Amino acid sequence: DTGVSQDPRHKITKRGQNVTFRCDPISEHNRLYWYRQTLGQGPEFLTYFQNEAQLEKSRLLSDRFSAERPKGSFSTLEIQRTEQGDSAMYLCASSLPRTDRGLTFGAGSRLTVL
Amino acid sequence: GDSVTQMEGPVTLSEEAFLTINCTYTATGYPSLFWYVQYPGEGLQLLLKATKADDKGSNKGFEATYRKETTSFHLEKGSVQVSDSAVYFCALPLSYSGAGSYQLTFGKGTKLSVIP
Repeated sequence: DTGVSQDPRHKITKRGQNVTFRCDPISEHNRLYWYRQTLGQGPEFLTYFQNEAQLEKSRLLSDRFSAERPKGSFSTLEIQRTEQGDSAMYLCASSLPRTDRGLTFGAGSRLTVL
Repeated sequence: GDSVTQMEGPVTLSEEAFLTINCTYTATGYPSLFWYVQYPGEGLQLLLKATKADDKGSNKGFEATYRKETTSFHLEKGSVQVSDSAVYFCALPLSYSGAGSYQLTFGKGTKLSVIP
């Protein structure tokens, strides 16, 4: 069990550019979640997958955001035409269904949009 | 909508002091309640949970009791250590999510610093 891995850990980009984050969950976890955390706030739910199916999307996830989990393993979160308001820590988490162990979070990918 | 409210931080305590971090919630029904902890440079970790009223979650010397009368889930520890320095988040599932869901809404977090 190597935990949840996220890449890159830091990304600095200019407004209008596209960025993509990758998450590798714990291998036996079939649920994968994306959260966003801004400075001084708690994480906000964005979306979640059960296997390869995206089952829920928050209204926070605008049309510029897209998430995929093509083979039910790793996931990507892409942000198109980034805006300064997108600057945040993007957190990935995974879990088994109906587990008492809660979510296992990765260390996050920090995005800075200049 | 469903939400949690945590006491404002930061909180600074001396080692072996008593800790209370207040958390109150607004929710439909009686959802599970969680405390997560984020140590510096690490991802959030589940600290403890309670699934129904009057349940007490406990872990690593921390405790929290689910009190529906006061809609509270305060985190307590009798004697804090320097290694407890972290940010603590109270959380509950979003109301529209199903049983066993981890689509969570989090409080803003309370930063705890413990000094020797």
